[in-house]
Formats: sequence, structure tokens, C-alpha cells
Amino acid sequence: DTGVSQNPRHKITKRGQNVTFRCDPISEHNRLYWYRQTLGQGPEFLTYFQNEAQLEKSRLLSDRFSAERPKGSFSTLEIQRTEQGDSAMYLCASSFRERYEQFFGPGTRLTVL
Amino acid sequence: GENVEQHPSTLSVQEGDSAVIKCTYSDSASNYFPWYKQELGKRPQLIIDIRSNVGEKKDQRIAVTLNKTAKHFSLHITETQPEDSAVYFCAASIPQEYGNKLVFGAGTILRVKS
Repeated sequence: DTGVSQNPRHKITKRGQNVTFRCDPISEHNRLYWYRQTLGQGPEFLTYFQNEAQLEKSRLLSDRFSAERPKGSFSTLEIQRTEQGDSAMYLCASSFRERYEQFFGPGTRLTVL
Repeated sequence: GENVEQHPSTLSVQEGDSAVIKCTYSDSASNYFPWYKQELGKRPQLIIDIRSNVGEKKDQRIAVTLNKTAKHFSLHITETQPEDSAVYFCAASIPQEYGNKLVFGAGTILRVKS
């Protein structure tokens, strides 16, 4: 499968715990995006990387959220001290160089109890 | 910042009929408009997109039209089939040198009745 992959697909955690998600973009895609999608809504932009550089962060990304892409390949999104409001689908997308098209992964569904 | 509104929120059509979903955007600098189809429990799938230098684009049964003056764009699906049933999202972006974040509409649930 040469598409964007995300792990885990589902994560259930208790409030206050830390969680980390991983995204593997399509090979050679240098741009990587994180979005969050809640039920009945469209995805909302969180942050994006070009290679290993994080170039923009949304106001949605509070201090409890951190994202990395250390070698310009896979990326991780960590949420510290999770809250019930963090429950959502976390989607990753990638694109190739200057091309506009973004291809999404299957997402990680987070449930905070 | 950019804001995208999408209508209708739900749409039911009979198999074989056409379906039209409309979106408006607020930032006149937006120049890239993709449409995604998302089936239940699956990833958003890019089905068609248009750039602001083009007024219409077609791909088999799917077409997108763009009116830059009015700042709205629409998705047209002809000869609908049950497998077209899904949630459709429009989006807008202002591509920049280092990337283009997408701003999505709230989605349209399309049901095709056979």
C-alpha cells in the first residue's frame, strides 16, 4: 500500500494521559499536514511541515499539542494531559513538492474517557 | 481568515438523477478548490479539484464549476449511483510557497436511493 498510513487507527485513553500518533506520508512527499475532524464537521487544519520544518500552527494547537517530523519522513503528533474535548479523528495528509493535491490517511480516532 | 460554507447539509436523490452541492468562500485570494468524498469510516478521497484560472472541470460523471466573482463553486454529479452515497466536503486554500492549508466546509451527506 503506497498511500498515507497512520497508527494507531483507534486510541482510547483516560483524561490526563498522554497519547502519540504516527503518520507515514506517501514516499517522496515532502509536505505533511495534520487535521482534526469532529463528528459532523469537515477537517480542521492543525499544522504542517515541509520536510522537517514545521511552518505553520493553527490556534487550535494548544500548548498541550506538539508535532514533529525529525527526518522529514514520518511525523508524530503528541497530546499531553488529554481532555475529553480532544476526542476526534486526527487525519494526516501529504503532498508532493509544489503540487496542490493533498492525500489523506485513514486517521486515528481518539476517544478520551 | 478563510471561511467556507457548504449547502445543503443533506441531499437525497433518486438513482440516475443529478446532485449539486454548493460552497461559498470568503477570501478572494483563495485559488485552489478541491472536493473530497468520505465514506463511513474511511479516509477523505480527493475526487476533483479546480484552480481559479479555470471556470469548469469535468471528470466522467463529476464536474466542478467556479465563479470567482461571486466566490462560489459547485460540485455536480450526474447519473448518480448508490455507490455515490457518502459525505462530500469542499475546501478552499491559498497556496503559498511552502504549502497550502485547506479550509473545509461542514460537509454534505449525499444519499442515493435505488
